Amino acid sequence: DQQVKQNSPSLSVQEGRISILNCDYTNSMFDYFLWYKKYPAEGPTFLISISSIKDKNEDGRFTVFLNKSAKHLSLHIVPSQPGDSAVYFCAASAVIGTNAGKSTFGDGTTLTVKP
Amino acid sequence: DTGVSQNPRHKITKRGQNVTFRCDPISEHNRLYWYRQTLGQGPEFLTYFQNEAQLEKSRLLSDRFSAERPKGSFSTLEIQRTEQGDSAMYLCASSPTGTPIEPQHFGDGTRLSIL
Repeated sequence: DQQVKQNSPSLSVQEGRISILNCDYTNSMFDYFLWYKKYPAEGPTFLISISSIKDKNEDGRFTVFLNKSAKHLSLHIVPSQPGDSAVYFCAASAVIGTNAGKSTFGDGTTLTVKP
Repeated sequence: DTGVSQNPRHKITKRGQNVTFRCDPISEHNRLYWYRQTLGQGPEFLTYFQNEAQLEKSRLLSDRFSAERPKGSFSTLEIQRTEQGDSAMYLCASSPTGTPIEPQHFGDGTRLSIL
């Protein structure tokens, strides 16, 4: 039973256009959602996060939107740059319950930004 | 901030052998996590420590796996009697206090290959 799902294994966009990466979750107990970026042969690095009490968080070219009723979040990158090409993981964490104390990750979406 | 360090980066061993991995977290980070990642999947939680106390272990962590964090500094993950299915990337991460909104800082992982 996968609690965090990224249904698109890959996404390809043109440089300068918008990249939209999606994530769905099943457990309504999740309180925080984080996006990580991973380059080959490196560990994941934190990108941006959002609390469940918000519906949007923005940091430069990166914006995360949360639709709590739909249990869906998305990461928007605009404009996309070739250096954004990486695997993006969605992760969720909770304050209480069985998911407290750790992060639950999706399987990732590989983003390719073409020059 | 020297980052999270994991050693070795690669480990190749024969089935049935024991292996031990080391993780040095960012200094003064109280929370330390171990994850396992296989190809095409996101990191799967194995266990975490708050200082020297191991607070939770995933059911993925069979009795062949043991983790320690003596004195609340570095951590080791040992796998006894390795099996083919243990082949994976083992990731270590740390965070200052372990609150859910805190991003985790990952090392570059130890890739284990079982012959």
